[in-house]
Amino acid sequence: GENVEQHPSTLSVQEGDSAVIKCTYSDSASNYFPWYKQELGKGPQLIIDIRSNVGEKKDQRIAVTLNKTAKHFSLHITETQPEDSAVYFCAAAGPNSGYALNFGKGTSLLVTP
Amino acid sequence: NAGVTQTPKFQVLKTGQSMTLQCAQDMNHNSMYWYRQDPGMGLRLIYYSASEGTTDKGEVPNGYNVSRLNKREFSLRLESAAPSQTSVYFCASSETKNTEAFFGQGTRLTVV
Repeated sequence: GENVEQHPSTLSVQEGDSAVIKCTYSDSASNYFPWYKQELGKGPQLIIDIRSNVGEKKDQRIAVTLNKTAKHFSLHITETQPEDSAVYFCAAAGPNSGYALNFGKGTSLLVTP
Repeated sequence: NAGVTQTPKFQVLKTGQSMTLQCAQDMNHNSMYWYRQDPGMGLRLIYYSASEGTTDKGEVPNGYNVSRLNKREFSLRLESAAPSQTSVYFCASSETKNTEAFFGQGTRLTVV
């Protein structure tokens, strides 16, 4: 099945700096790559997603890049704010997994003022 | 809109007891999922239902059963709970394949 690896497991940045989280996946048939943010005591919420027919997508301070050849994708958060502190998960889905999401193990992001 | 509703929010079971976790969505979504979340392990897929009337195993199905009761409801049953099933369980739904999955608030289950 699909195997998604995520790095780093923890990340600490100063407010205003950028944060980058990287993921790799194993199944070349995967074609949907969402990123979720989870705050303490809550369920994950989608923040951005990308499909395999594009290489980059941006939404205000958040961007995602996808390299299908290398089978990796990254989340970029610019001008970080304390409210960005949370756990972030990448995921991959495709026909070989029944289109169910396979998640990475998460990155705990801390933004310090 | 309530979105995805899970009940109960908290539960303590003794080893060997059974229970059913309930999940309902009001978004008319076709696909529904059950995940478990353990520290350092991320979210692992237990079972999913791509559409009403179908269910499939995920990464960690052992010890669990599911029922897609109708389009709205997808329940997860533990027939004989074990301490290894202590976890936070999340139900999710999506309109169809490769679309946003919406998650419930989770059920924190402790098996003693």
